[in-house]
Amino acid sequence: GESVGLHLPTLSVQEGDNSIINCAYSNSASDYFIWYKQESGKGPQFIIDIRSNMDKRQGQRVTVLLNKTVKHLSLQIAATQPGDSAVYFCAETLIFSGGGADGLTFGKGTHLIIQP
Amino acid sequence: DGGITQSPKYLFRKEGQNVTLSCEQNLNHDAMYWYRQDPGQGLRLIYYSQIVNDFQKGDIAEGYSVSREKKESFPLTVTSAQKNPTAFYLCASSPLARNGGELFFGEGSRLTVL
Repeated sequence: GESVGLHLPTLSVQEGDNSIINCAYSNSASDYFIWYKQESGKGPQFIIDIRSNMDKRQGQRVTVLLNKTVKHLSLQIAATQPGDSAVYFCAETLIFSGGGADGLTFGKGTHLIIQP
Repeated sequence: DGGITQSPKYLFRKEGQNVTLSCEQNLNHDAMYWYRQDPGQGLRLIYYSQIVNDFQKGDIAEGYSVSREKKESFPLTVTSAQKNPTAFYLCASSPLARNGGELFFGEGSRLTVL
């Protein structure tokens, strides 16, 4: 099937700086997107989601932006902390269009490294 | 606390042996999933189940088998037919039976074939 990809495998930022993690998706029919955080040796944890009828959604220190024109998704993390070090995955699915019963399609992930 | 429990966390297997990974959830979710994760890769879907006694193949089902006899349990058997079974296996569940949505993951099981 179509895949979701990420632009950079590793992103290194200084503690306290803002981070932007990017994701390009290829299935223009996808209508629901999620960002997950995976710490080493653990399962992914939900961070934030966004539906295709929105272009921005904010959470606590995180913001997800969706640009359907260029099929691009980004995750912004404000004032990064050491605990933000992890691999971040974007994922897509068809949830509101009658499809997607087989779960999410995941990108390969970006490893965020926080420099002290 | 509600959640998804996978066991064992680490498992070693000799070539030619079948192994079964356990996944239990007490979230009352209808849908359950098994994913495989390899280093530097995204998650790939092995099998999923939307309802008890029913399951479907995912993208990489060959060499694996599952059962869904109870709503809360979805064990995965890695058979000797799986050519490259060493990987990190993740079980997930979702409250939406018909369509995909937010997945809740377990802590994973790391299988190593010796």
